[in-house]
Amino acid sequence: QQQVKQSPQSLIVQKGGISIINCAYENTAFDYFPWYQQFPGKGPALLIAIRPDVSEKKEGRFTISFNKSAKQFSLHIMDSQPGDSATYFCAATFSGSARQLTFGSGTQLTVLP
Amino acid sequence: DVKVTQSSRYLVKRTGEKVFLECVQDMDHENMFWYRQDPGLGLRLIYFSYDVKMKEKGDIPEGYSVSREKKERFSLILESASTNQTSMYLCASSSAGPNQPQHFGDGTRLSIL
Repeated sequence: QQQVKQSPQSLIVQKGGISIINCAYENTAFDYFPWYQQFPGKGPALLIAIRPDVSEKKEGRFTISFNKSAKQFSLHIMDSQPGDSATYFCAATFSGSARQLTFGSGTQLTVLP
Repeated sequence: DVKVTQSSRYLVKRTGEKVFLECVQDMDHENMFWYRQDPGLGLRLIYFSYDVKMKEKGDIPEGYSVSREKKERFSLILESASTNQTSMYLCASSSAGPNQPQHFGDGTRLSIL
């Protein structure tokens, strides 16, 4: 059972554009939602994370928007750059999970120069 | 910087062989994880460990076992390799406590012929 659904599977954006990746979850016990970024040949690395007591979190060009009632959250990359080309994974966990993360299926982002 | 080192980047084995994947972290982290990454499926948790000699099954433990004899080292064992275990394997570690980021190695691409 996939508890975190991620879309789209792939995304192509022009340099300077906005990239948007969406995730939806089913388990209402989830209380922490990180995003990981993975470059080719490398392991994923934490990019940004949010807790459900806030609706938005911004770090530089990266913003997470969170809609608790809809059980959805999204990553927005403003002014997308070719260096942002990577695979992005959303994830979710909850306090009683023994520290397990449930990952989405990933979005391969390509930013054209 | 946290470093998670996986012993092999590429590995080719034959069906029925016993396969060992090794992972070492240098930050004295309590938690260690093994994932497999397949296109369109994201990262799926195989096993994790929150202490030496402790292990917990993840979402897809069948056909795998793990060993954690020392805090810094976490081994994944394929008891009798099968072709459906051909995949990218990722090791991660994190410190104890809520919402600690997981730090990933660069992965081992395993092919079972």
